[in-house]
Amino acid sequence: QKEVEQDPGPLSVPEGAIVSLNCTYSNSAFQYFMWYRQYSRKGPELLMYTYSSGNKEDGRFTAQVDKSSKYISLFIRDSQPSDSATYLCAMSPLTGNQFYFGTGTSLTVIP
Amino acid sequence: SAVISQKPSRDICQRGTSLTIQCQVDSQVTMMFWYRQQPGQSLTLIATANQGSEATYESGFVIDKFPISRPNLTFSTLTVSNMSPEDSSIYLCSVELPTGTGREKLFFGSGTQLSVL
Repeated sequence: QKEVEQDPGPLSVPEGAIVSLNCTYSNSAFQYFMWYRQYSRKGPELLMYTYSSGNKEDGRFTAQVDKSSKYISLFIRDSQPSDSATYLCAMSPLTGNQFYFGTGTSLTVIP
Repeated sequence: SAVISQKPSRDICQRGTSLTIQCQVDSQVTMMFWYRQQPGQSLTLIATANQGSEATYESGFVIDKFPISRPNLTFSTLTVSNMSPEDSSIYLCSVELPTGTGREKLFFGSGTQLSVL
């Protein structure tokens, strides 16, 4: 079983839609959760990070963590064509250098 | 965050040759990391490069295949040696930086898209 599972998609939505991206994990030691956005031919860009269960909002983006279910989500409101990218979830224990990544979900927002 | 410059951005190489990828960071960092990103797979850590010491390789990666240099606190190179088509991948340089809250965050360079014929 992989440490982190992420649906690869692809996901295609119309402009203005609400997008939900999800990851599940198996290691209860994971306490730190991140979302990266990766445009084609670019490196991953840190989008959001959170430690605790619950919601964290930043503009049109909301990161949600449910530690009891080992499930994290990224919601994108009012999606724009510029949101078209691959979204990677990542997580780690609070210490150490090991980060565990999902395989990424490819998102296309259609104008 | 940090500005992490990586080059080349892409290259097409012949089987059996070697390619050296450079990574330059705009601030001094203790550790630099090299990742591989293959299609449909999660990012895989190749090795951790510390300045002044040998790199630490993850299971499945060896120094003869992926030699790493770390001459100072802002620069590192990864060489992919004796390449085969299986080495075709995106190679990413990354660093951890403090951002004022909690543990350090992981930031990535722009990546090197390698294709081996």
